[in-house]
Amino acid sequence: KAGVTQTPRYLIKTRGQQVTLSCSPISGHRSVSWYQQTPGQGLQFLFEYFSETQRNKGNFPGRFSGRQFSNSRSEMNVSTLELGDSALYLCASSFLAGGPETQYFGPGTRLLVL
Amino acid sequence: QKEVEQNSGPLSVPEGAIASLNCTYSDRGSQSFFWYRQYSGKSPELIMFIYSNGDKEDGRFTAQLNKASQYVSLLIRDSQPSDSATYLCAVNKSGQAGTALIFGKGTTLSVSS
Repeated sequence: KAGVTQTPRYLIKTRGQQVTLSCSPISGHRSVSWYQQTPGQGLQFLFEYFSETQRNKGNFPGRFSGRQFSNSRSEMNVSTLELGDSALYLCASSFLAGGPETQYFGPGTRLLVL
Repeated sequence: QKEVEQNSGPLSVPEGAIASLNCTYSDRGSQSFFWYRQYSGKSPELIMFIYSNGDKEDGRFTAQLNKASQYVSLLIRDSQPSDSATYLCAVNKSGQAGTALIFGKGTTLSVSS
């Protein structure tokens, strides 16, 4: 079974631009969560989507948004990029309605904001 | 107080020894607790989860939970050099269905051969 895939793997943007990251969950997984990982703040929860609805949200500004499609694929968008948004963005999927017990992470998208 | 706290390490143990990793959390309502391992340049992978007070064993790994003390630990028996990684403690936010994991910043473990 294929794992969680994320595209693109690397991205360079400039301040003020916006970016869209994509995540395809493991087949059969319906929950998709997004995380930001930086050396200073560690791994931080952004939001979780289940059945096309945002079910949980972390403490990030409204510039960070996401959505989930009917096939469970998810995208996250960051608008008006800031230098501090440079990070590894990880997507994770969980089986059915399950919580983190069945959560698998993708390889991540590394975003550099110049 | 940070929501989930871990000693950053590095924790250094010789091969074959027991490695003890500790974590405290602030949300008394939290019900589920997780340990992830992250190798350098790789994504986190789930090692264990625990819900009830006491010990939970899986192979060389034992998770321990004490809700009264708001404390979670991970013991790695017979440590191997391949166990060298960063170990992340995570707590699912109370009152949330599904996933809303709060992570500690991780403890770096180094096992020397």
